[in-house]
Amino acid sequence: AQSVTQPDIHITVSEGASLELRCNYSYGATPYLFWYVQSPGQGLQLLLKYFSGDTLVQGIKGFEAEFKRSQSSFNLRKPSVHWSDAAEYFCAVGAGGGADGLTFGKGTHLIIQP
Amino acid sequence: NAGVTQTPKFRILKIGQSMTLQCAQDMNHNYMYWYRQDPGMGLKLIYYSVGAGITDKGEVPNGYNVSRSTTEDFPLRLELAAPSQTSVYFCATGLAGYNEQFFGPGTRLTVL
Repeated sequence: AQSVTQPDIHITVSEGASLELRCNYSYGATPYLFWYVQSPGQGLQLLLKYFSGDTLVQGIKGFEAEFKRSQSSFNLRKPSVHWSDAAEYFCAVGAGGGADGLTFGKGTHLIIQP
Repeated sequence: NAGVTQTPKFRILKIGQSMTLQCAQDMNHNYMYWYRQDPGMGLKLIYYSVGAGITDKGEVPNGYNVSRSTTEDFPLRLELAAPSQTSVYFCATGLAGYNEQFFGPGTRLTVL
């Protein structure tokens, strides 16, 4: 069975500083990987996804993530955070085809300091 | 296009009551899903459907039922509400073969 680990429950970053959120997955085949963001009281919005090809993927809002097969990781990065980036971030993994849903990590709560 | 809509937004139930959480989509997606989100636990899959008339259990199906009579609608039924079902429920849709999912705004349910 697949699983996702997000080691950091909370991360605090100063506005304008760089950000890296960690995600490790366990899956037997080539995974489909996702990062979602959830603002308070809202649903989940897709930031970016990796299916195949270039291991560095660009997403919305200036985010990027790098797939590293050797480390089973899919870390999310942003060079300069804004106060509006404060939210909950979820990494997720899915099997090819999508029929049986996604497996989510427990999330990382991002706090932005002024 | 409304995308994925969920009703109600909030609901308080008493133990033993029943209710149906509604989910509708106008994206013409084959796949639909129900997740529950508990604090600090991420999202867990309750049920999913790959098309009208076809449903299957996810990771945490106990205490819930679903039906899928049309492509657009995927209601989730709680028959005998229990405090353990206090959660935020998200409906999502997806296209066959792509994995990417699109989420509704959620229903916050409290069982007292």
